[in-house]
Amino acid sequence: DVKVTQSSRYLVKRTGEKVFLECVQDMDHENMFWYRQDPGLGLRLIYFSYDVKMKEKGDIPEGYSVSREKKERFSLILESASTNQTSMYLCASSAGTLGNTIYFGEGSWLTVV
Amino acid sequence: QKEVEQNSGPLSVPEGAIASLNCTYSDRGSQSFFWYRQYSGKSPELIMSIYSNGDKEDGRFTAQLNKASQYVSLLIRDSQPSDSATYLCYGGTSYGKLTFGQGTILTVHP
Repeated sequence: DVKVTQSSRYLVKRTGEKVFLECVQDMDHENMFWYRQDPGLGLRLIYFSYDVKMKEKGDIPEGYSVSREKKERFSLILESASTNQTSMYLCASSAGTLGNTIYFGEGSWLTVV
Repeated sequence: QKEVEQNSGPLSVPEGAIASLNCTYSDRGSQSFFWYRQYSGKSPELIMSIYSNGDKEDGRFTAQLNKASQYVSLLIRDSQPSDSATYLCYGGTSYGKLTFGQGTILTVHP
């Protein structure tokens, strides 16, 4: 089975803090994604990566950056957390070409106070 | 216009009925379609994928794809209360468009 692990499930951070959300997948997938999910807004793509050190902006990249130094690990960085970044963050991965099945991690609930 | 749109919800059906969930997409380059189920507070899990026109059946679930009309649907037969969840439609392309619908909340009442 594909395993996508988000190490931090629940976080509470203060406004202005730098926040790191880590994600690791164990299936040697080429593609990795970060989404956020808010009530009524569905899943929105923040960034994705199709290879090590490669990244592409999604629909809502503002206020976020990412890092992919190793194939299995994709990190989401909030440079200066703000209250409007309170949300559930979902990491996902897929194999091969974009458009294949996406497998999700369990999610990270971030509250910024 | 959103790239993937799902029929407005929420949808409520009685136990044992057929639940019909629909999704239309605007990008004719979309090649693969997926239905995910998401329980409250959990992450989405894959139910079915479909790539070719026609029907694909898996147990109580049937996915239908019509590329000419640009819609994909999911039928759930003999709906159970455990099917109550948000259902997400996803259309993928090979060139980077990765779009989820906004989701349809399904409630199956006893």
